[in-house]
Amino acid sequence: DIVMTQSPDSLAASLGERATINCKSSQSVLYSSNNKNHLVWYQQKPGQPPKVLIYWASTRESGVPDRFSGSGSGTDFTLTISSLQAEDVAVYYCQQYYSIPFTFGPGTKVDIK
Amino acid sequence: QVQLVESGGGVVQPGRSLRLSCAASGFTFRTYAMHWVRQAPGKGLEWVAVISDDGGNKYYAASVTGRFTISRDSSENTLYLQMNSLRPEDTAVYYCARGSSGTSYSPCDYWGQGTLVTVSS
Repeated sequence: DIVMTQSPDSLAASLGERATINCKSSQSVLYSSNNKNHLVWYQQKPGQPPKVLIYWASTRESGVPDRFSGSGSGTDFTLTISSLQAEDVAVYYCQQYYSIPFTFGPGTKVDIK
Repeated sequence: QVQLVESGGGVVQPGRSLRLSCAASGFTFRTYAMHWVRQAPGKGLEWVAVISDDGGNKYYAASVTGRFTISRDSSENTLYLQMNSLRPEDTAVYYCARGSSGTSYSPCDYWGQGTLVTVSS
């Protein structure tokens, strides 16, 4: 199984500050046949189901604010919130869909300082 | 708009069975893969199973292999999860989620609100 790790476990930043979450996979999730990274980022607010933010590691889902961006390739990925807003308080998960089982990272909790 | 509504959760004793359903609407159900993902109380997300658009491919997490069965009825636009030999560690909110394409190897782009399964004597 591909093991997904995230850092930090939690972070608190001031409104308007940049927040960065890292995700690492135990093996590459770059699929050679399509040259795409099979990595997705989700946001989960309390009491709600997850919501997709970024797929293929860097493609923003329609309707997601452009302050959210994804980067990275192979085994190392980053989700960046360029200017943290109050409504961004949530837990953020990365997940690989490269190989079965489609494993999630443990999550990163984001709060306002 | 895409809607996924899970049902069938509840309290069940260890060793017993339960079947979850997910009613889908707002999209052409038969052209998308479908997933089940669960979340134990206060814990992270755990992928459970996926079924391809035509039902021909089904994959499971090791923790449920041999006990859970994913299926779909495209005439009823409904996804199912048959859960047998339930264990206390299966206690979780179970989410139904749509894959972003027909292939199993696609991320979940829409999620239901989830249904709670509690396994306890």
